[in-house]
Amino acid sequence: NAGVTQTPKFRILKIGQSMTLQCTQDMNHNYMYWYRQDPGMGLKLIYYSVGAGITDKGEVPNGYNVSRSTTEDFPLRLELAAPSQTSVYFCAMGSGTLSYEQYFGPGTRLTVT
Amino acid sequence: DAKTTQPPSMDCAEGRAANLPCNHSTISGNEYVYWYRQIHSQGPQYIIHGLKNNETNEMASLIITEDRKSSTLILPHATLRDTAVYYCIVRVNYGQNFVFGPGTRLSVLP
Repeated sequence: NAGVTQTPKFRILKIGQSMTLQCTQDMNHNYMYWYRQDPGMGLKLIYYSVGAGITDKGEVPNGYNVSRSTTEDFPLRLELAAPSQTSVYFCAMGSGTLSYEQYFGPGTRLTVT
Repeated sequence: DAKTTQPPSMDCAEGRAANLPCNHSTISGNEYVYWYRQIHSQGPQYIIHGLKNNETNEMASLIITEDRKSSTLILPHATLRDTAVYYCIVRVNYGQNFVFGPGTRLSVLP
């Protein structure tokens, strides 16, 4: 099993462009998350989902949208990209057990110029 | 804001035990303490978690003080591949939000 897969690995966007970061998991976990990590900083939660059809905002949701039509996929949409969205984006999945540990994908490095 | 306090950096000699401290003085009774690490630019890797009792797995040991206000992650025989940023995390409330602070940058030296 691959765990969490993210595409693309790298992307450069121009200001105002839009894109979708893809995230897929093969463990049939209900819980999925999107984080961003700015240089030298910890991770901040953007959005999360506790199951298909259910999403909720995290700490820094502005400028992003998500959807969860299947258990496997949790895409993150950036509309009108801004330089402040330059970051590394990590998708994670969780088993949903009481202890809620999370397992992360390899990340997408996004630059907005 | 993160509910934990960690030293920004630590060094450890290869083959020796690495002891990484974490303070979480405002932890609630049912909140778990989690440890993750991030090697270079990879996604964070789950290491261990605990509630009250000490825990051990194939990667590390977690020692939680009796008052639960602090904990220590122990890597018993550190290797160069353990060089990473280590995050101590306390789950906020009972929701899904994990708060990653800046962590401790551990350098294992040959």
